[in-house]
Amino acid sequence: EPEVTQTPSHQVTQMGQEVILRCVPISNHLYFYWYRQILGQKVEFLVSFYNNEISEKSEIFDDQFSVERPDGSNFTLKIRSTKLEDSAMYFCASSEPGQGSYEQYFGPGTRLTVT
Amino acid sequence: RKEVEQDPGPFNVPEGATVAFNCTYSNSASQSFFWYRQDCRKEPKLLMSVYSSGNEDGRFTAQLNRASQYISLLIRDSKLSDSATYLCVVNMDFNKFYFGSGTKLNVKP
Repeated sequence: EPEVTQTPSHQVTQMGQEVILRCVPISNHLYFYWYRQILGQKVEFLVSFYNNEISEKSEIFDDQFSVERPDGSNFTLKIRSTKLEDSAMYFCASSEPGQGSYEQYFGPGTRLTVT
Repeated sequence: RKEVEQDPGPFNVPEGATVAFNCTYSNSASQSFFWYRQDCRKEPKLLMSVYSSGNEDGRFTAQLNRASQYISLLIRDSKLSDSATYLCVVNMDFNKFYFGSGTKLNVKP
């Protein structure tokens, strides 16, 4: 069964450093998403991406965040200058809207720890 | 009003019980509704989409009430493996999705 994969599973970084989180969506899916979940809190939408551009973004997704699909298979989230409050689990998801329902399938997540 | 609201629970039920969760949403224009389950420190896993006509998948039944802006999930014959947090997901804009905080279910032997 096809699945979304994410690397690394855990990333530790110092405040102010740049991090890139990587995702490989399911191959025939067309929409891609990033979410974050701070420990003990709800899953929060960050951004959706379609046809090589951002489709929607939340208030959380400010100028320090960017997304890219560099090579037709990977989908990345870059955080330019990490803050302590960026520590969270980051989930990538993809969906095949041809089914008409935008059912999203999630990767296992990258746990980001900012020290 | 929060975009998506759920009773956090926990719901503690014995094996074999029937349990129901509700979720309310704020945007009357929402078109897509889902239930996901999330196990501790794991990713959300799609349980089912929720259609206007309602839908059933084995022991799970989902309903949508547009007039009152809520969706529901019914689990029959609860199993120990059903213990998880159940997440309600609703789209607010075209491709922007909001999650509820989840309802925790504990199924006891």
